[in-house]
Amino acid sequence: NFMLTQPHSVSESPGKTVTISCTGSSGSIASNYVHWYQQRPGSAPTTVIYEDNQRPSGVPDRFSGSIDSSSNSASLTISGLKTEDEAGYYCQSYDSSNQVVFGGGTKLTVL
Amino acid sequence: QVQLVQSGAEVKKPGASVKVSCKASGYTFTGYYMHWVRQAPGQGLEWMGRINPNSGGTNYAQNFQGRVTMTRDTSISTAYMELSGLRSDDTAIYYCARGLGGVWGQGTLVTVSS
Repeated sequence: NFMLTQPHSVSESPGKTVTISCTGSSGSIASNYVHWYQQRPGSAPTTVIYEDNQRPSGVPDRFSGSIDSSSNSASLTISGLKTEDEAGYYCQSYDSSNQVVFGGGTKLTVL
Repeated sequence: QVQLVQSGAEVKKPGASVKVSCKASGYTFTGYYMHWVRQAPGQGLEWMGRINPNSGGTNYAQNFQGRVTMTRDTSISTAYMELSGLRSDDTAIYYCARGLGGVWGQGTLVTVSS
C-alpha cells in the first residue's frame, strides 16, 4: 500500500524558515498532485498549497510547495515563521488506484 | 464565497447508523467531487471516499467498503455520508471537502457510546 511519511514534529524560531517533508513509499510522487493542509487546534483543516505548489487566495507567499523526484518527496516550506503558523500540517496525494492517501501529519512548534 | 456547512453533532449507540449532511454554497455543486474525511481524537486524517455530485457515482476507501454510503441531493446542493454498524472507534470528527485541495466543512462530531 502506498504511504506518505512525514516527520512527527518540527520546531523553529519566529522569523526563521522551516521545511516539512512528505516522502512517498513507492512509485513516483511526481505522478500525482500533492496538496498540503494546515490544521490549528480545534479547527477544520484548510488548504495552504494545492497541486504541488499553488497557493489559494488568502494564503501568504511565505508558504511554498515543491516536489523532489530524486528523493520521491514533496516539501512544504514556511519562511518568516510567525507564532500563528503553529499547527498540524498534512500532505495528501493519491495511490495508483486514485485512492486518496494522507501523510501522518507534522506538528509545527514555533518557539 | 465557497462554503460548506455541515450538520450538528450526533451521539449514537454501537450498532446504529449516522447520516451527516454537507450543504454547499457559492459554487456550482455538480462541478466538483465531494470528499469525506474523518479524524479520530488526537489522530490524523483518514479518507473515507468521494461522490461525483453530477452523476452520483461513488468511490469508497477499502476500510469503509460495505459500511459507508454517500449520496447527494442536487436540488438543495447537499451531500450526505451515512455510516452504519457504528463502533466506539468510529468516534471522530467527520469532514466534507470540495475536491481535495479546496474548501472544507467545519466538521461534525460523531460520538459512539453505549
